[in-house]
Amino acid sequence: GAVVSQHPSWVICKSGTSVKIECRSLDFQATTMFWYRQFPKQSLMLMATSNEGSKATYEQGVEKDKFLINHASLTLSTLTVTSAHPEDSSFYICSAGGHSGNTIYFGEGSWLTVV
Amino acid sequence: SQQGEEDPQALSIQEGENATMNCSYKTSINNLQWYRQNSGRGLVHLILIRSNEREKHSGRLRVTLDTSKKSSSLLITASRAADTASYFCATDQGGKLIFGQGTELSVKP
Repeated sequence: GAVVSQHPSWVICKSGTSVKIECRSLDFQATTMFWYRQFPKQSLMLMATSNEGSKATYEQGVEKDKFLINHASLTLSTLTVTSAHPEDSSFYICSAGGHSGNTIYFGEGSWLTVV
Repeated sequence: SQQGEEDPQALSIQEGENATMNCSYKTSINNLQWYRQNSGRGLVHLILIRSNEREKHSGRLRVTLDTSKKSSSLLITASRAADTASYFCATDQGGKLIFGQGTELSVKP
């Protein structure tokens, strides 16, 4: 079964609204999670590293005020897309694990469509 | 760009044939991993090869790594229609996975 769960699997929202995506590690504690974005027919682009109990680390070019990341517990990280625009429509995927050579697990991803 | 290159971008073969995908990267790595992604779905980890390894096998998969050339290849032998998917290499850079551009493989029955 899945060890990293994302919710929702898909969401449609109106332009200007905010939408939250959750990433949960089910069988282990994750001090670090990663958020990726994937446009159709393209690769995964790392957006940010989510750190439990501290601020996320964003990759160059990713707006931290637009993509809010909260990692309030060892099993949950959330990504909030604020003031969403149609160009934010994408597939968002989180991952967790990988420490000390452990396997990295990916969530099933969340499709966001902004209309 | 944080990403490496993969080639080919798309590959179409018949069932039973072998499929080879190549990946190049830019920085020093601890390991290199290959993932599979079915359309619109999450990623499935296929195989990890460490920087001190040159070749690794897993079932019908064979991965090579050449750190001097900063390149890796994934070979799928005796392909099946169910192997149709996108395949990505990813390098571990300080705990972050950085993905290549990917190869879209289509295996025709």
